[in-house]
Amino acid sequence: SQQGEEDPQALSIQEGENATMNCSYKTSINNLQWYRQNSGRGLVHLILIRSNEREKHSGRLRVTLDTSKKSSSLLITASRAADTASYFCATDARGGSEKLVFGKGTKLTVNP
Amino acid sequence: ETGVTQTPRHLVMGMTNKKSLKCEQHLGHNAMYWYKQSAKKPLELMFVYNFKEQTENNSVPSRFSPECPNSSHLFLHLHTLQPEDSALYLCASQGNNEKLFFGSGTQLSVL
Repeated sequence: SQQGEEDPQALSIQEGENATMNCSYKTSINNLQWYRQNSGRGLVHLILIRSNEREKHSGRLRVTLDTSKKSSSLLITASRAADTASYFCATDARGGSEKLVFGKGTKLTVNP
Repeated sequence: ETGVTQTPRHLVMGMTNKKSLKCEQHLGHNAMYWYKQSAKKPLELMFVYNFKEQTENNSVPSRFSPECPNSSHLFLHLHTLQPEDSALYLCASQGNNEKLFFGSGTQLSVL
C-alpha cells in the first residue's frame, strides 16, 4: 500500500509556536497533497507539492518533500487557535490508478 | 465554502430503511468521489465517477449503491445498512488541477 502515514497522531502546542507534522509513504508518487479538516466537516485542500519539487510555501504553511526518504513535512508557523484541526497527507501512486490515498491524520490542538 | 454541497448533514436510519445521500457541485469538475470516514481509520475511498462513468468501486458492499446522473450530481443510495456503517460520508469533486474539493459530509448513524 502507498498509504501516507502521518506523525505524530496528535500534537498540542501554544499559540504562537510552530507546528510540524510529518508524512511517510511507501511507493513512488506523482504528487503529495496536504488537507485540513475541522471536526465533523469536509477536508480542505492546503497545498500540493510535485515529486520534482523539494519545498513549497503558502502563507504560514511550508511543505517539504524528500522523495529519497519518501517523506514530507508540513510546518505551520506562528500558530493560531483557529489552526486547531486534523491534517492529512494524500498521495497518488505513479503509474497507478492516480486515486488519492489518505493517511490517518495528525490532530493538532493550538491552545490560546 | 468549497462549491460542493452535500445533503443531508445528518441522518439517522434503522437497518431496514432505505435512504439516499446527495452531492452536488457546480465547479465544472468531471470526477466525483464518495469517501467513508470512520473514527480512528484513514479515509476510505468507496467510488469514483469520471464523466458520469464509474471508474472505481473499492470492494464496497452492495448495500451501498452509487448513482451519477450527470457530472454535477452524485448520489449514494443506502439500504439494509449495518451499525458498523455509521460514519461520516464525504463527497468530493476533482478538476484538472488534481486537488479534491470536499463537501461538508453526511454524518450517518445506523441504529
